[in-house]
Amino acid sequence: ETGVTQSPTHLIKTRGQQVTLRCSSQSGHNTVSWYQQALGQGPQFIFQYYREEENGRGNFPPRFSGLQFPNYSSELNVNALELDDSALYLCASSPGTSTTDTQYFGPGTRLTVL
Amino acid sequence: GDSVTQMEGPVTLSEEAFLTINCTYTATGYPSLFWYVQYPGEGLQLLLKATKADDKGSNKGFEATYRKETTSFHLEKGSVQVSDSAVYFCALKDSNYQLIWGAGTKLIIKP
Repeated sequence: ETGVTQSPTHLIKTRGQQVTLRCSSQSGHNTVSWYQQALGQGPQFIFQYYREEENGRGNFPPRFSGLQFPNYSSELNVNALELDDSALYLCASSPGTSTTDTQYFGPGTRLTVL
Repeated sequence: GDSVTQMEGPVTLSEEAFLTINCTYTATGYPSLFWYVQYPGEGLQLLLKATKADDKGSNKGFEATYRKETTSFHLEKGSVQVSDSAVYFCALKDSNYQLIWGAGTKLIIKP
């Protein structure tokens, strides 16, 4: 069984640019959540997709957007990059949206904004 | 709103010592509780979970019991190893979508 994968592993962008991060969910999982983890901090929830629809959103501006595809893989897009967007971006998949469903994480994409 | 508070690190122990990392939470509903571990340079791995009061989660010698009366989910291990050195995160899931996280506790085990 393949786990959650993310690409790319590392990315360097400059302020004002746009970036797309990708995530493949674990087999059998229909829910994908995205988190931002700044250095030395716990993850912050960005949003969740369930069966191709946005299911919930954290306190992030609209320039953070996403998609989920019919195979349940997902993209996170960030427009007009700012220096504070530098972080580890984590994708997690789960078999559903229940409180008891465990979220399984990918290795993350390290984004550096210069 | 919901929140998780865990003890600040770093926590430094000698190999074979007993480990406790404290975690307390506030939640309006009936959350599930999780401990995740993050090894250097890696993503988050689920360590253990508990979905209702008095449940005990366990894995790899680690244990945590869901205590509703004290709103706690403390992580314990009887004898730590150097390979347990990592950052440990306590988290809760109360709504149908997001995990709410503590700030993480860095654990350093010295041989």
